[in-house]
Amino acid sequence: EDQVTQSPEALRLQEGESSSLNCSYTVSGLRGLFWYRQDPGKGPEFLFTLYSAGEEKEKERLKATLTKKESFLHITAPKPEDSATYLCAVRETSGSRLTFGEGTQLTVNP
Amino acid sequence: DGGITQSPKYLFRKEGQNVTLSCEQNLNHDAMYWYRQDPGQGLRLIYYSQIVNDFQKGDIAEGYSVSREKKESFPLTVTSAQKNPTAFYLCASSRGQTILTNEKLFFGSGTQLSVL
Repeated sequence: EDQVTQSPEALRLQEGESSSLNCSYTVSGLRGLFWYRQDPGKGPEFLFTLYSAGEEKEKERLKATLTKKESFLHITAPKPEDSATYLCAVRETSGSRLTFGEGTQLTVNP
Repeated sequence: DGGITQSPKYLFRKEGQNVTLSCEQNLNHDAMYWYRQDPGQGLRLIYYSQIVNDFQKGDIAEGYSVSREKKESFPLTVTSAQKNPTAFYLCASSRGQTILTNEKLFFGSGTQLSVL
């Protein structure tokens, strides 16, 4: 059974304080790993897809990396507007559905 | 603007009542999904549909029903058999049949269902 575990559950940062969120996964074969951002009371918004170990993608202050067992979402010099819940999801080689982690709730204080 | 529209934003269910959540997309996507989100938990798949007139159960289908009569519409009915329906419900869609592709999901803005 596919498993996706995100840590920490919640993270509080000061503006400008860089950090990383972790997504550990267990699948028989990875077809894709997806990162989403979700604001309170809204639907998740797509950020990145990673397909193979060693791949990296960047968008503004966010950088996602992938190894064979986990993915990291690095946040460089965060701003208060980066506050949200970040969700990780995986799709295995033989499947069509996504399995989501429980998310990391990020709060960036000014 | 293309996107996914969910309605209503808030919905209240009385004991023994069936309620239907609407999901419409104008992205011309083949696949559509319903997820349930509870506080502190990941998104859990209720039902999904890869093509019109076909749908499959997800991980927590009991107490729910769906239909896919049109490509753009995928309504979810929460029946009286669902004993704990209070949750945030999210509809999503993706281009192509994801058994064949590896497309990302696009999400609607959600419906908060509460029990009176």
